[in-house]
Amino acid sequence: DAGVTQTPRHEVAEKGQTIILKCEPVSGHNDLFWYRQTKIQGLELLSYFRSKSLMEDGGAFKDRFKAEMLNSSFSTLKIQPTEPKDSAVYLCASRGQGAADYTFGSGTRLLVI
Amino acid sequence: GQQVQQSPASLVLQEGENAELQCNFSTSLNSMQWFYQRPGGSLVSLFYNPSGTKHSGRLTSTTVIKERRSSLHISSSQTTDSGTYLCALVNNAGAKLTFGGGTRLTVRP
Repeated sequence: DAGVTQTPRHEVAEKGQTIILKCEPVSGHNDLFWYRQTKIQGLELLSYFRSKSLMEDGGAFKDRFKAEMLNSSFSTLKIQPTEPKDSAVYLCASRGQGAADYTFGSGTRLLVI
Repeated sequence: GQQVQQSPASLVLQEGENAELQCNFSTSLNSMQWFYQRPGGSLVSLFYNPSGTKHSGRLTSTTVIKERRSSLHISSSQTTDSGTYLCALVNNAGAKLTFGGGTRLTVRP
């Protein structure tokens, strides 16, 4: 089975740039999540979609972060404009029917300079 | 305040020793899930544990809802157990995960 695919694996951006991270969930999974992981804050929820509908939009991240899910097999996370404090690992996960059926991608490591 | 707190933040063991990782939560719980993350790697689910005790090889998870805690026991640790262990509270809709800060485990040969 294909897992969750995230691209790119690494991204370096200059402050003020726009970057787009991509995620392909596990086929058939209805829930999709974007998380940000840093050493200080740990894992923080950015966005949560159910059947392509936005269910939760992490309040602190609304300003410059926008996640979209135009079809059931593809999601993007846009950060505009980027700031150095956005440097982190961005993880995408999808969930199937089972309560424990979460699959995480390998993440995109973003460095903003 | 934080809904999910893990302890210890880090732990160093000699191979063969046992480990007990703790997770405490401050809100009502639907369920608890434990994940493992290797440095630079993705999260892998270890246990989905609404309550009681579950076993998987050398791992044991125990969740006591009324005490608002969950634990992960690793017996006879191996160097390959090194990594970060994360607990996550599953909300009532059974979807969103709220993570603890993690325990970074290092097992030395």
